[in-house]
Amino acid sequence: EAQVTQNPRYLITVTGKKLTVTCSQNMNHEYMSWYRQDPGLGLRQIYYSMNVEVTDKGDVPEGYKVSRKEKRNFPLILESPSPNQTSLYFCASSRQFYSYEQYFGPGTRLTVT
Amino acid sequence: EDQVTQSPEALRLQEGESSSLNCSYTVSGLRGLFWYRQDPGKGPEFLFTLYSAGEEKEKERLKATLTKKESFLHITAPKPEDSATYLCAVQADKIIFGKGTRLHILP
Repeated sequence: EAQVTQNPRYLITVTGKKLTVTCSQNMNHEYMSWYRQDPGLGLRQIYYSMNVEVTDKGDVPEGYKVSRKEKRNFPLILESPSPNQTSLYFCASSRQFYSYEQYFGPGTRLTVT
Repeated sequence: EDQVTQSPEALRLQEGESSSLNCSYTVSGLRGLFWYRQDPGKGPEFLFTLYSAGEEKEKERLKATLTKKESFLHITAPKPEDSATYLCAVQADKIIFGKGTRLHILP
């Protein structure tokens, strides 16, 4: 089954404790991205990767890191989480950046206390 | 500045009562306009892509249309299972999502 998977699905952590949210897709897609979704603010892009060689910042990259060492995986790293990073996070992938729809993962609900 | 605005923010309809959701945009070099459906706590699910003014796409009770400034998602004779948030996204040099329309269909 073609899908985007994320782990963990739910996470409660404390301020400053480094964490990684994994994202994997099995569709051989070139483009991958991370979004956060907050009430009243909609989906905002954190980072994106056009392909394995190109990664760039989205609209809200502060406090996040990513890596794209292989095509199928695109982990999101929070080096020192803070309460304002409490949010619902989605990973997405598409065949290519331009003109193709994105397929979204099931989401990771993160709470930072 | 590139912008995507969806209206209304929320809409309550009786089952069978047809209506339209609006997505207006200002962007240079449109490469695609996308509609997604999102159920609570889940990831958005792709519905349609429109590429040029005049284009229309249909799927079951949903029909999406596109002009140079806006897109409409028409829902005909909706059922309670159509209740969801509908998101519009515009792609130029970047992808911009609207804040969505929360649709609630009453049985």
